[in-house]
Amino acid sequence: SQQGEEDPQALSIQEGENATMNCSYKTSINNLQWYRQNSGRGLVHLILIRSNEREKHSGRLRVTLDTSKKSSSLLITASRAADTASYFCATGYMNRDDKIIFGKGTRLHILP
Amino acid sequence: DTEVTQTPKHLVMGMTNKKSLKCEQHMGHRAMYWYKQKAKKPPELMFVYSYEKLSINESVPSRFSPECPNSSLLNLHLHALQPEDSALYLCASSHPAGGTGELFFGEGSRLTVL
Repeated sequence: SQQGEEDPQALSIQEGENATMNCSYKTSINNLQWYRQNSGRGLVHLILIRSNEREKHSGRLRVTLDTSKKSSSLLITASRAADTASYFCATGYMNRDDKIIFGKGTRLHILP
Repeated sequence: DTEVTQTPKHLVMGMTNKKSLKCEQHMGHRAMYWYKQKAKKPPELMFVYSYEKLSINESVPSRFSPECPNSSLLNLHLHALQPEDSALYLCASSHPAGGTGELFFGEGSRLTVL
């Protein structure tokens, strides 16, 4: 099952700039999550937004959700070198919250 | 304790070997997951256990055999694997068992099949 598509696939920005990643999905969802993965490591949960929410903030992260367009965006403000990682959106497939499917991911590289 | 522990971290095996990957969590989570991840690709769902019962099998070949002996442990038994099965195998857990919550991941077991 494939659910999410992120774009861009890869993004390089200067430290201090903002990074925006987008995710589109195919089926109805109850919530959408974003995860970060440092190279070859496990994934770390960043933020969860429910289908009845439009925007959510956590520290330097801002997530939006547009269920009519089946899309979400993740904004990282004032980027740091430590933000270099891959970022994935994840959703439950066909409203099955135990069947969590990941999008293709965006590889973010922060340049010093 | 918010850790999911996976062992071994690295495993090299031949195509005729039998080996197992182990995953352990002590957070009281009742859902546990196996994902497979190839380089520069997203994690692919393999199996989900909910309350120690297999709830999802994503048409995974029978050479991969999951087992959930109790609520804290999840194993993945490997037999007669192919070189294309080489990947990072990630275990995750969540609470509640029905989802709607974040996944906690282990650091993964990197498998190489020769």
